[in-house]
Amino acid sequence: SQQGEEDPQALSIQEGENATMNCSYKTSINNLQWYRQNSGRGLVHLILIRSNEREKHSGRLRVTLDTSKKSSSLLITASRAADTASYFCATDGGDEKLTFGTGTRLTIIP
Amino acid sequence: ETGVTQTPRHLVMGMTNKKSLKCEQHLGHNAMYWYKQSAKKPLELMFVYNFKEQTENNSVPSRFSPECPNSSHLFLHLHTLQPEDSALYLCASSQEGPGSGELFFGEGSRLTVL
Repeated sequence: SQQGEEDPQALSIQEGENATMNCSYKTSINNLQWYRQNSGRGLVHLILIRSNEREKHSGRLRVTLDTSKKSSSLLITASRAADTASYFCATDGGDEKLTFGTGTRLTIIP
Repeated sequence: ETGVTQTPRHLVMGMTNKKSLKCEQHLGHNAMYWYKQSAKKPLELMFVYNFKEQTENNSVPSRFSPECPNSSHLFLHLHTLQPEDSALYLCASSQEGPGSGELFFGEGSRLTVL
């Protein structure tokens, strides 16, 4: 299965701290994407990293990709209460499907 | 206004009812998707349409019937559902072909089957 798996399943941190979530997958990919979902809402695209890239930044987000370990991490710096959400990685294995993991539930404590 | 609009946002139906979920995208995209999101499970890809043609049917039971009359509209017709079909149904669209680019999601239709 191409499915990505996020780790940890749940994470609670104090506001202002950094949050790190990890994603592992099983086979080669063309790209890996991260999405955010607020409770009961749709998913919002955060960032896409291609298989030939190692790191990408977008505002307070930093994504790394290690294709040798088949893993990616999402770092959110200086967290805010509004960052409370579920975060999903999704992998494109070139099979015309974007396959999602089960997500990490992030809670920011004010 | 969100680029992808889903209606209704909430739906309660009995097992013998027939209902439809509607999705409309205002982004000029050519690929549209239905995903099912159940508690503690990964998002499940149900159907993919590319240029109005169905390119993926991920072993979905026939009680779910998709329809894509044009590149902007996607429907999911429901009948004789089971309680385990209760879930959040998400529609998405993409500019690039299936699986290769960013997905734009609607807010979802929360379905409860009694």
